[in-house]
Amino acid sequence: QKEVEQNSGPLSVPEGAIASLNCTYSDRGSQSFFWYRQYSGKSPELIMFIYSNGDKEDGRFTAQLNKASQYVSLLIRDSQPSDSATYLCAPRGIGYQLIWGAGTKLIIKP
Amino acid sequence: GAGVSQSPSNKVTEKGKDVELRCDPISGHTALYWYRQSLGQGLEFLIYFQGNSAPDKSGLPSDRFSAERTGGSVSTLTIQRTQQEDSAVYLCASSPPRFLGVPGEQYFGPGTRLTVT
Repeated sequence: QKEVEQNSGPLSVPEGAIASLNCTYSDRGSQSFFWYRQYSGKSPELIMFIYSNGDKEDGRFTAQLNKASQYVSLLIRDSQPSDSATYLCAPRGIGYQLIWGAGTKLIIKP
Repeated sequence: GAGVSQSPSNKVTEKGKDVELRCDPISGHTALYWYRQSLGQGLEFLIYFQGNSAPDKSGLPSDRFSAERTGGSVSTLTIQRTQQEDSAVYLCASSPPRFLGVPGEQYFGPGTRLTVT
């Protein structure tokens, strides 16, 4: 079992709809969870982090965390073509290092 | 302020030659990471420096790879006797001290694209 599981996609979503990106993790000790966005040919950039169960909203982005189910998700409302990218889920493991998922490729269709 | 910088942005080298990749982290950041990303693949952890502690070298793929961090700031990743399978983008990231920000957050540089011919 991989430490961090993400559907590789591509996930295709119509413009204006909600994109839902999911991630499961195996380390029950993980306390903080990060979402990064990586455009093709660019380096990852931090979008959001969450460390409490429930929802955390930041503009069009909402991160959801359920530690009991070892599940974290990212919702993007009113999806735009500029949201097309690969989204990386990264729980924080021991030693403050991040454990990286392989990413989900998101395509927003105009 | 200035972000993480890496140089060179592109490097083409012949098989068997040595290369050095440089990373300059965000000022004040105590942790520094090196990753490798092959085309269409995820991030592969290479090495992690935290302050003055011994680095975590557990991700280095072979003894041809080494890294150092001088003065707790700039880091150099060295690949000796390069092979074609070393071709990838090498990414550097840094993190602020644990008492600042959110422990674990990493900020990436633009990467160095290495091509071994």
